[in-house]
Amino acid sequence: DSGVTQTPKHLITATGQRVTLRCSPRSGDLSVYWYQQSLDQGLQFLIQYYNGEERAKGNILERFSAQQFPDLHSELNLSSLELGDSALYFCASSVDLRQGAGEQFFGPGTRLTVL
Amino acid sequence: AQKITQTQPGMFVQEKEAVTLDCTYDTSDQSYGLFWYKQPSSGEMIFLIYQGSYDEQNATEGRYSLNFQKARKSANLVISASQLGDSAMYFCAMREPLYGGSQGNLIFGKGTKLSVKP
Repeated sequence: DSGVTQTPKHLITATGQRVTLRCSPRSGDLSVYWYQQSLDQGLQFLIQYYNGEERAKGNILERFSAQQFPDLHSELNLSSLELGDSALYFCASSVDLRQGAGEQFFGPGTRLTVL
Repeated sequence: AQKITQTQPGMFVQEKEAVTLDCTYDTSDQSYGLFWYKQPSSGEMIFLIYQGSYDEQNATEGRYSLNFQKARKSANLVISASQLGDSAMYFCAMREPLYGGSQGNLIFGKGTKLSVKP
């Protein structure tokens, strides 16, 4: 158990819908990263938050957004869903990179299926 | 741009034997970090081992060791005494630098599927 929790584990929805994925980082970790794993794109970085602030953006679509709350949990919002958004979405957390090697510990993932 | 290459889509190894999974990387940075993760069929990503670019010794964690050859830009994972439970996808990853719009996020290779035969 990595200490990172993600809910829900599975999500099935229809095209055009909106969903919210939730992540709670390990105790003490201030950084939260979101990744998408799909068959055609592999594992891709989406977005990072540090202590409530957006720090870096990767290949995140404009239809996607995220935020990190004062209790450090994070939510990834996916809207106007398309078939191609079906993927495994991971949240990962780490300590401040300036204080450690920066190992990222991954949650169990949310498997999103868009029908 | 940083890049990770894993050239072995699939590998087979006999139980109790050692196996090496290849990983090469490309970066112009002097300071970087390299990681290996294991993804079993259940889907979770399990951190295995870390190597910093300035670490003088190869990293080891139990049956896992990282064969770090900086001049060749390779960071191969060695699994000794393979077990049936080692059957999984293995991903090599590099940490992006803390500047230029990135903040340490990971970039991943395409992975190697390891199958351990009894």
